[in-house]
Amino acid sequence: GQNIDQPTEMTATEGAIVQINCTYQTSGFNGLFWYQQHAGEAPTFLSYNVLDGLEEKGRFSSFLSRSKGYSYLLLKELQMKDSASYLCAVRDNDYKLSFGAGTTVTVRA
Amino acid sequence: IAGITQAPTSQILAAGRRMTLRCTQDMRHNAMYWYRQDLGLGLRLIHYSNTAGTTGKGEVPDGYSVSRANTDDFPLTLASAVPSQTSVYFCASSEGLAGNNEQFFGPGTRLTVL
Repeated sequence: GQNIDQPTEMTATEGAIVQINCTYQTSGFNGLFWYQQHAGEAPTFLSYNVLDGLEEKGRFSSFLSRSKGYSYLLLKELQMKDSASYLCAVRDNDYKLSFGAGTTVTVRA
Repeated sequence: IAGITQAPTSQILAAGRRMTLRCTQDMRHNAMYWYRQDLGLGLRLIHYSNTAGTTGKGEVPDGYSVSRANTDDFPLTLASAVPSQTSVYFCASSEGLAGNNEQFFGPGTRLTVL
C-alpha cells in the first residue's frame, strides 16, 4: 500500500513563493503527480516526476527524491487564482494512483 | 470537445436503493477510473479499467460494481446504497497506464444517501 503525507493547509501572500511538501512510503513506485483542485471542481494535472530532480513549468516546479520518498511543489509569483487544494499522488507498479489528502493553499492580498 | 462527462451532477438517494453513476469520455482513452473524495481523506480509487472488457478493484471496492462494455463508457453501480457511500464521485480517464499519462477527471457527482 501507499502512505502519502502532505500538510493540511498553507497560507501565503500574493506575489510570494510557497513550497508544498509531500512524503511517501510505498510498496512500489512508478511516478509522482501533482494535481490542482479548486473548490467544487475536478482535479487538473500540474506536473509529473519519475526521475530525481526538478521539473519546471512556468510558475510551477516540482521536485522528486526517490531515495528520500520526498517531493515538493513550488508555486512562484503567487496569484489569487492559485488559492486551491494541491494533491500529491503516487503511482504504484500496477499503475494505480494513490492520493494524499491534499494541501489547501490560501493566497491573501 | 466534451472530454469526460458524468451524470447526474448531484443526487439524493434513500438507503437501500440502487443507483448507477454514468461516465462517458470522447478522448478514446484506454484506461478509466472511479474515485470517491471525502473530506480529510483525499481521493480513493474504487474500481478501474485498463481497457475495454477488463475491470479491477481499487482501494475501496466494497458495495460498488463497474462494467466496461466499450471504450467510452464506464458506469459505476451501487447495488444497495448506504449512508457511508455519501461522497463526491469522480470518474477519470487516461490514454495509457505508464509514463507521463495524466488522468483527466470528470466534473464529479455529489451523492447523498439518507
